[in-house]
Amino acid sequence: EAQVTQNPRYLITVTGKKLTVTCSQNMNHEYMSWYRQDPGLGLRQIYYSMNVEVTDKGDVPEGYKVSRKEKRNFPLILESPSPNQTSLYFCASSSPGQGGRFYEQYFGPGTRLTVT
Amino acid sequence: QKEVEQNSGPLSVPEGAIASLNCTYSDRGSQSFFWYRQYSGKSPELIMFIYSNGDKEDGRFTAQLNKASQYVSLLIRDSQPSDSATYLCAVNNFFYSSASKIIFGSGTRLSIRP
Repeated sequence: EAQVTQNPRYLITVTGKKLTVTCSQNMNHEYMSWYRQDPGLGLRQIYYSMNVEVTDKGDVPEGYKVSRKEKRNFPLILESPSPNQTSLYFCASSSPGQGGRFYEQYFGPGTRLTVT
Repeated sequence: QKEVEQNSGPLSVPEGAIASLNCTYSDRGSQSFFWYRQYSGKSPELIMFIYSNGDKEDGRFTAQLNKASQYVSLLIRDSQPSDSATYLCAVNNFFYSSASKIIFGSGTRLSIRP
C-alpha cells in the first residue's frame, strides 16, 4: 500500500530534550516536506527537500533541522525543543502528476507533539 | 496581510445545496492552486488543483481561478454530510511543482446540515 508513515504519532517531551520525528514514504517520491499545523494559522511549511541531499527552508524553519540521506526518509529534528514548538506536524511527499504538470502531495497521518 | 486568505467559517450549508468556498492570495507570481479537504484529526487530502484561468470540474467539485483578481474558489454541488470538513486552499509559485514552496490558507470549516 502506497503511504507516508510518521513516528511517533504522539509525543510528550520536556524543554531542551532532543527529539527526532521520522518520516518515510514508499512511493519513490522525489519531493518531501514538513509542515506544522496550529489553530488559526493553518499549515506552515518548515522544510522541504527536492531530492537526496537537497533541502531548503520553508516559512518557519527556526528551531528545526532536517536531513535527506535516502530518498524514502526525511526525518525532522528538534535539537532543543521549546513549548512554542507544541503543534501537529505533518510530513508529505510528492510525485509528478499527468504529464508532469503538477505534483500531488500525499500527507502522513501526523505527529502531535507537546513540549512542556 | 496573509499570503493566502480564507474565511474561517463555519460555513453552514443545507444538504443538497451548493457550497461555495473562497480564497484570495497576495503573490501575483503564484501559478498552481490546490484545494485540500481535512477531516477533524486527519491529514489533508487533495481534492482539486487548477493552474489556468476559468473553471475545472471533477464530479461534484468545481474549482474556479481568476488570476487577475487573485481569487480561487471551490464549489461543491449536491452537498452531502460527508462533505463536512475543513477545506484548505494552497498556492505556490512553481508552475510544475506543488512541493517546493507552498503556502496554505488557514482553512474554511464547512458544515452540511441535514
